[in-house]
Amino acid sequence: TQLLEQSPQFLSIQEGENLTVYCNSSSVFSSLQWYRQEPGEGPVLLVTVVTGGEVKKLKRLTFQFGDARKDSSLHITAAQPGDTGLYLCAGARGAGSYQLTFGKGTKLSVIP
Amino acid sequence: DAGITQSPRHKVTETGTPVTLRCHQTENHRYMYWYRQDPGHGLRLIHYSYGVKDTDKGEVSDGYSVSRSKTEDFLLTLESATSSQTSVYFCAITPTSGVSYNEQFFGPGTRLTVL
Repeated sequence: TQLLEQSPQFLSIQEGENLTVYCNSSSVFSSLQWYRQEPGEGPVLLVTVVTGGEVKKLKRLTFQFGDARKDSSLHITAAQPGDTGLYLCAGARGAGSYQLTFGKGTKLSVIP
Repeated sequence: DAGITQSPRHKVTETGTPVTLRCHQTENHRYMYWYRQDPGHGLRLIHYSYGVKDTDKGEVSDGYSVSRSKTEDFLLTLESATSSQTSVYFCAITPTSGVSYNEQFFGPGTRLTVL
């Protein structure tokens, strides 16, 4: 059962464009993380959102946690070639569980 | 840098042979995890550990065993490797100091090919 659905699976855009990727579930999560992974490397944590409706910004990246804590979005403004990579969302089901459920990822290519 | 190393980084082996992958961390984190990553499947949890000699199964544990005899080392063993176990394997830790929302920090990965 795929608890976290990410869309789109693939995205190819020109440098300078804006984009949004989505992470959706029918389950409630106590927290949700976004990771970026580059080829040949492990995922790197970008941000954690905890409160429903929370918005966090990391330079040109804006992360939002849905009010019901079932979904999240990542918006990139003026994408750069350095943003290229696989973006993964991951949800924690409860404070006592140290397991994460990962989405399959969105592969982003930013063309110069 | 969470101080996580994995060895080997690449391995090619034959079907039926045993394989052991090692994850080493330097910061005494209690929680450690093994994942495999495959196209179309994303990251899937194989086994995890919540302390020395304390381990539990994840989503895709069949064909894998783990051991943790020291805090710093978490070993993943394929008793008899099969071609379906060709994958990239990642080790991860969750920091246990400070506030944690189950964030995980990953090692660089091991690419395993079973012929």
